[in-house]
Amino acid sequence: RKEVEQDPGPFNVPEGATVAFNCTYSNSASQSFFWYRQDCRKEPKLLMSVYSSGNEDGRFTAQLNRASQYISLLIRDSKLSDSATYLCVVNLYPLRGSARQLTFGSGTQLTVLP
Amino acid sequence: DTAVSQTPKYLVTQMGNDKSIKCEQNLGHDTMYWYKQDSKKFLKIMFSYNNKELIINETVPNRFSPKSPDKAHLNLHINSLELGDSAVYFCASSLRGGTDEQFFGPGTRLTVL
Repeated sequence: RKEVEQDPGPFNVPEGATVAFNCTYSNSASQSFFWYRQDCRKEPKLLMSVYSSGNEDGRFTAQLNRASQYISLLIRDSKLSDSATYLCVVNLYPLRGSARQLTFGSGTQLTVLP
Repeated sequence: DTAVSQTPKYLVTQMGNDKSIKCEQNLGHDTMYWYKQDSKKFLKIMFSYNNKELIINETVPNRFSPKSPDKAHLNLHINSLELGDSAVYFCASSLRGGTDEQFFGPGTRLTVL
């Protein structure tokens, strides 16, 4: 089982639609969770952190369910500029050594259509 | 004013060659990383490095070696390049490590012929 799993998509939605992405992680000891965004042929950038109580940033809402080891991202009123790949990120111990590191899911591709 | 920069942006080379990719960050961060993103877009950590500890992903061949002349630089040297090394390599940095936000460079697209 992959450490961080996402539906690869692609998700093709019309402008104004609401779209939800899901992610599961395998290690129950994980403590920090994030969504990153990666535009085509660009580097990943932090979209938002995910907090236990759930959090919202404008049109974006992130939720965490520790019991189910599940993270979600909801995008409301989709814009053309939201087209990108959304990466679910969890801090784990993927490497030897003492430090937790970020482990990235393979990403979910979103295309918002006019 | 670029936070994390990498050079070159594109690198095309023959199998068996040795090449280096340079990375610099001007954020004053303590920890730097190298990631490999393959053709399926899966982003996998290769190394994590701060001034105290180098952590190596044990799946990375020892042909890959990070070199850090100072806290702001983490270069990636690759010996005896193979076809399977073709990928996009991203450098990143974070203030500390682990849970901190990581800032990525623009990537180096390596093609091995």
